[in-house]
Amino acid sequence: EVQLVQSGAEVKKPGESLKISCQGSGYSFSNYWIAWVRQMPGKGLEWMGIIYPGDSEARYSPSFQGQVTISADKSISTAYLQWSSLKASDTAMYYCGRQTRALDVWGQGTAVTVSS
Amino acid sequence: DIVMTQSPDSLAVSLGERATINCKSSQSVLYNSNNKNYLAWYQQKPGQPPKLLIYWASTRESGVPDRFSGSESGTDFTLTISSLQAEDVAVYYCQQYYSIPETFGPGTKVDVK
Repeated sequence: EVQLVQSGAEVKKPGESLKISCQGSGYSFSNYWIAWVRQMPGKGLEWMGIIYPGDSEARYSPSFQGQVTISADKSISTAYLQWSSLKASDTAMYYCGRQTRALDVWGQGTAVTVSS
Repeated sequence: DIVMTQSPDSLAVSLGERATINCKSSQSVLYNSNNKNYLAWYQQKPGQPPKLLIYWASTRESGVPDRFSGSESGTDFTLTISSLQAEDVAVYYCQQYYSIPETFGPGTKVDVK
């Protein structure tokens, strides 16, 4: 079964760093782009960026460029989304998705809460 | 960036009736080399991740009931639920994956009347 499994919920304080993960299984992880999507509480979906695990080429939405870093380790079939200094406005659900013809497989989501 | 708009924001339809959701892209998402529109539709139920329903504007994902269909006319796209079922209550999003940044529409909430 093809699946993406994300790391668990996080509660952080403003200014802290964070790295969340998305592990793929059941397919050749290196050969498919992985996207990250943000969903703020009660709001819609926002595309953040995408990475090709085969060579770690990453592309970002201008809205998120410089705010987050997307990376991958193909040896353990895992993609990452990280922040160096969280803000309260980063509170959201974050999803990873495999990009083939569209985003055909999604992770279950990682809830990030940033509060002092 | 390509801007995606959707209408209506929400709609309520009786069980067994048709639901129609519209999506418009600010520019073409047609890839000339394969003549495909890079437009997808997703369904999101509360507390769940989105689920892919339709890709290339009109191709149904495997396992998606055939009451869901997608159509296209230039930069206008439509998702139709031919006979609404209770389990179809959800928010529906369109997305263009033609160019980066890929962008989603704001969503349309579908309820039972």
